[in-house]
Amino acid sequence: ETGVTQTPRHLVMGMTNKKSLKCEQHLGHNAMYWYKQSAKKPLELMFVYNFKEQTENNSVPSRFSPECPNSSHLFLHLHTLQPEDSALYLCASSQGRGTGRDEQFFGPGTRLTVL
Amino acid sequence: EDKVVQSPLSLVVHEGDTVTLNCSYEVTNFRSLLWYKQEKKAPTFLFMLTSSGIEKKSGRLSSILDKKELFSILNITATQTGDSAVYLCAVEAKSGGGADGLTFGKGTHLIIQP
Repeated sequence: ETGVTQTPRHLVMGMTNKKSLKCEQHLGHNAMYWYKQSAKKPLELMFVYNFKEQTENNSVPSRFSPECPNSSHLFLHLHTLQPEDSALYLCASSQGRGTGRDEQFFGPGTRLTVL
Repeated sequence: EDKVVQSPLSLVVHEGDTVTLNCSYEVTNFRSLLWYKQEKKAPTFLFMLTSSGIEKKSGRLSSILDKKELFSILNITATQTGDSAVYLCAVEAKSGGGADGLTFGKGTHLIIQP
């Protein structure tokens, strides 16, 4: 298996549910990212992890909680979401700072619908 | 606040035409500019540009960066229907350490008609 994978690909949840999105990269990268893509809006950076440490939290509401247990896995825990959180959530990875190779490779995304 | 503006937002051309997509940016401590192609879900990487005036080419696609005027263009020659996609421009800023996220433009929706 290669590249960046995300599960689930589609998720429908109620506002009171708790769910998690999973991202796994098989590229040997050290940096991982969560992005949100809403309809007709640019991709928005949410979180950045570099060597398992969170280096950026882009003013994301606390109902989104990231977790990076190792360089290959990244989770986004969701609880008490709002309908406006419905979007495509994209995970990306890169080799990481100091390597000179920072282009990011994206997973296929999770299409989230909050009812 | 870092800003990326792409134009046009949408473009419809016929197969065989040549297209030029534009990306202008305002960013503190510019590091690199990247182009992505997004067909259905995940963007796929096209080019990373860090230096002015050096054209990067991949088949029928090419791109160049002007760091003085703060813009980049993406050219596609002899377009094919498979080139239909949203083309995203993104900039990365330098930080004191760690990985950086990207600031994306809204994209150019390119449609190639047979």
